[in-house]
Order: sequence, then C-alpha cells, then structure tokens
Amino acid sequence: ETGVTQSPTHLIKTRGQQVTLRCSSQSGHNTVSWYQQALGQGPQFIFQYYREEENGRGNFPPRFSGLQFPNYSSELNVNALELDDSALYLCASSSGGTTQETQYFGPGTRLLVL
Amino acid sequence: ILNVEQSPQSLHVQEGDSTNFTCSFPSSNFYALHWYRWETAKSPEALFVMTLNGDEKKKGRISATLNTKEGYSYLYIKGSQPEDSATYLCAFFYSSASKIIFGSGTRLSIRP
Repeated sequence: ETGVTQSPTHLIKTRGQQVTLRCSSQSGHNTVSWYQQALGQGPQFIFQYYREEENGRGNFPPRFSGLQFPNYSSELNVNALELDDSALYLCASSSGGTTQETQYFGPGTRLLVL
Repeated sequence: ILNVEQSPQSLHVQEGDSTNFTCSFPSSNFYALHWYRWETAKSPEALFVMTLNGDEKKKGRISATLNTKEGYSYLYIKGSQPEDSATYLCAFFYSSASKIIFGSGTRLSIRP
C-alpha cells in the first residue's frame, strides 16, 4: 500500500504566475483535501474533493481551484500568484468523505513566490 | 468567525514527565475532532479521531478526552520520551466532513 505523495517538493515562482501542485492519494481512498500552511500557523483548509466533485471549500479566493481524477489523484491550481501564497501546501487523503475517517497526509509542497 | 485555539503554544518537559495540552473549539455544530502529531521533516500523522462527547481514546502512552458541550479536548502524554518531540495539532470539523479548522498547534520538546 503506497502512501500519499505530492509533487513537486519545492517550487519557486514569481508574482502573477500560475502553479499546479499534484497529489496522489493512498490506495483505496476517494477523498482528497488540500491545506495551506503559512509559517507559524496551523494548516488552513482550501477545499476537499470526493469522488471527483468538490465537496467543500474554505475561505480561499476563486484563483485557487482544483481537480480530482478518476484514479482519485488531485491537482491544486493557483492563478495570479501573490507573495502571500508562499506556504507549505499539504494534501491529505481519506476514504468515505466522512469525519470518522482518518486523514493521511503527504509530505507537502513548499511554494515560494518572489 | 470560528476559532480553534491550542494551549500552550510550546512546552518543554523533562524526559519521563507526563504532560497535557488543550484544544478549545466552538461548542456548537460539532462534527468531529482529530488529533495529529507532526514531527519535523515528516508528514502529519493521525493520532485520534473523536466524534462523541465523552470519548476517550488511547494509543500507547498517549490518550485524549473530548468534551463537546464545553468545547475542549485534552491530549495527555504519559512518561514523555524524546521521540514524542513534535508539534501536536487538533482539527475541528463542524457541520460536515468538509468544514475543517486546524489549531496552530502545541510544540512539544522533550529534554533528555
């Protein structure tokens, strides 16, 4: 059973550019949640995908968008990057889309926007 | 604005001592509370999923309790070991499985 993987591990972009981050969920999991963690803060919920549909969204602007594919892997896209988007982006997979299920986190992608 | 607070922010304890810390959350619209341990350079690791008022969970030397009526959960570590050094995060789920707020974490350091 493979764990949750994320790519790339690190990324440097400039303000105004667009970025795509990728997450492969754990085998058998159909739910992926994305989080942004700024320095010194807890992870902030961006959105969740369950069986290829967006299942909930946190307080992030529309320039944060996502996709989930039939194999349940997922992408996070951020358009028009701003300096404040510099953060660690975590994805977590779980099965069933309920709060009873344990979330398994990937190692994260560290994004730096210059 | 919903807020989840963890206290203390950081904690230094001697190896062998027991310790505990708190996660406070809104007492309305409770759905679930998760505890995670996050060691440096690793991924957050789930410790407990708590869903019912009065829940008590245990995993080795670590245990947690939940009081949804007053909006808090305690995490206890008995006989701290150096490998317990990590940031401990709680995540509050409200209304549904896709409404999630994390606390800022308690950073625990164990002195040998």
